[in-house]
Amino acid sequence: GAGVSQSPRYKVAKRGQDVALRCDPISGHVSLFWYQQALGQGPEFLTYFQNEAQLDKSGLPSDRFFAERPEGSVSTLKIQRTQQEDSAVYLCASSLRDRNTDTQYFGPGTRLTVL
Amino acid sequence: AQSVTQLDSHVSVSEGTPVLLRCNYSSSYSPSLFWYVQHPNKGLQLLLKYTSAATLVKGINGFEAEFKKSETSFHLTKPSAHMSDAAEYFCVVTPISGGYNKLIFGAGTRLAVHP
Repeated sequence: GAGVSQSPRYKVAKRGQDVALRCDPISGHVSLFWYQQALGQGPEFLTYFQNEAQLDKSGLPSDRFFAERPEGSVSTLKIQRTQQEDSAVYLCASSLRDRNTDTQYFGPGTRLTVL
Repeated sequence: AQSVTQLDSHVSVSEGTPVLLRCNYSSSYSPSLFWYVQHPNKGLQLLLKYTSAATLVKGINGFEAEFKKSETSFHLTKPSAHMSDAAEYFCVVTPISGGYNKLIFGAGTRLAVHP
């Protein structure tokens, strides 16, 4: 079956531009997560959705980062006024339920480069 | 707070020899522990997970890991390395209490397999 998909796979932005990254989770999955993976590091948690509710946004690095999941399926991560330090791979993951033992399935990521 | 430490940033083995990737965790609660693998230009894939059942966990592709509470360790092993095992491996922890599983990743271990 279809896994988690993300688009675009690659994004180059000039400093100061706004970008929007899309995540299509596995159909029917309740939980959706965003992570940020800087070069040579492990992914770091950004935010969590349970259906359409954003229950945890403690990992968002600044108020320039905004995420939404209005209908409880597709999610968008928006970064306003991009900075060079925003360059990273942004990973989306979904899991079937909201249990802490559930397996998270990851998308291929969007590699963002800010010039 | 929860955290994981991967003791080796790079491990190099010959094909057909055993693999050992070391991970120590820190958790105030009984944790769930995972190992994920990331091949170049591919999404993170779950290898195995420990969720307070059997302490020896078997995963895909011949990998296994043993949860040792006394040593706060969750090392990943494989009896015989294959060329296709070359990838980045992440040890991951999440608290078993509470609801959703915000994954906390280690810095990763890059495994190289030589013919």
